[in-house]
Amino acid sequence: ETGVTQTPRHLVMGMTNKKSLKCEQHLGHNAMYWYKQSAKKPLELMFVYNFKEQTENNSVPSRFSPECPNSSHLFLHLHTLQPEDSALYLCASSQDQREGNQLEQYFGPGTRLTVT
Amino acid sequence: AQSVAQPEDQVNVAEGNPLTVKCTYSVSGNPYLFWYVQYPNRGLQFLLKYITGDNLVKGSYGFEAEFNKSQTSFHLKKPSALVSDSALYFCAVRDGANYGGSQGNLIFGKGTKLSVKP
Repeated sequence: ETGVTQTPRHLVMGMTNKKSLKCEQHLGHNAMYWYKQSAKKPLELMFVYNFKEQTENNSVPSRFSPECPNSSHLFLHLHTLQPEDSALYLCASSQDQREGNQLEQYFGPGTRLTVT
Repeated sequence: AQSVAQPEDQVNVAEGNPLTVKCTYSVSGNPYLFWYVQYPNRGLQFLLKYITGDNLVKGSYGFEAEFNKSQTSFHLKKPSALVSDSALYFCAVRDGANYGGSQGNLIFGKGTKLSVKP
């Protein structure tokens, strides 16, 4: 285990539903990330939080809404998704986004999302 | 702009043979380089990194990688492959000269599928 947990592991939702993905890290890190992994596409960075402040929104559609209440928890709220949003959503954490040499990110197992 | 390339979609190796998974990068400053592995239905696992120092970096599960500045490469290697090494491998780079904004994030390659046959 990497110290990063994600729930649920699998989620099927209709296009009109609202759901949330949860990520929790037990590593004492200060930066947290959401990535989207689709088949045959590079890993896409969606959002970055550093010390609870959002530092990156990589042109993500507003139907994805992140929330970071503290350095250990990260949520991704989903509403009115499209079938093309079906993917593996990965959460990661690192010591700090910006400085130092502990830059490696530790990933959770992901949430497999299917939008019907 | 920083970028990373993994030129091979798939690498096939016989068990016991040495393996190499290739990665080349482009950054404006000194590179910070990483290798990750992803097993089926799992998240990415950190294998090793190069920040500074010795060009040969040793990591988890017997893997190592060699930083070559002149060739802007950071190939992943293992002297003797195991069937259990079969997985998807990702190279990632970060520009060490820039900390702010998107420059401070990791850029991942598209991944290379490693298949080790008995």
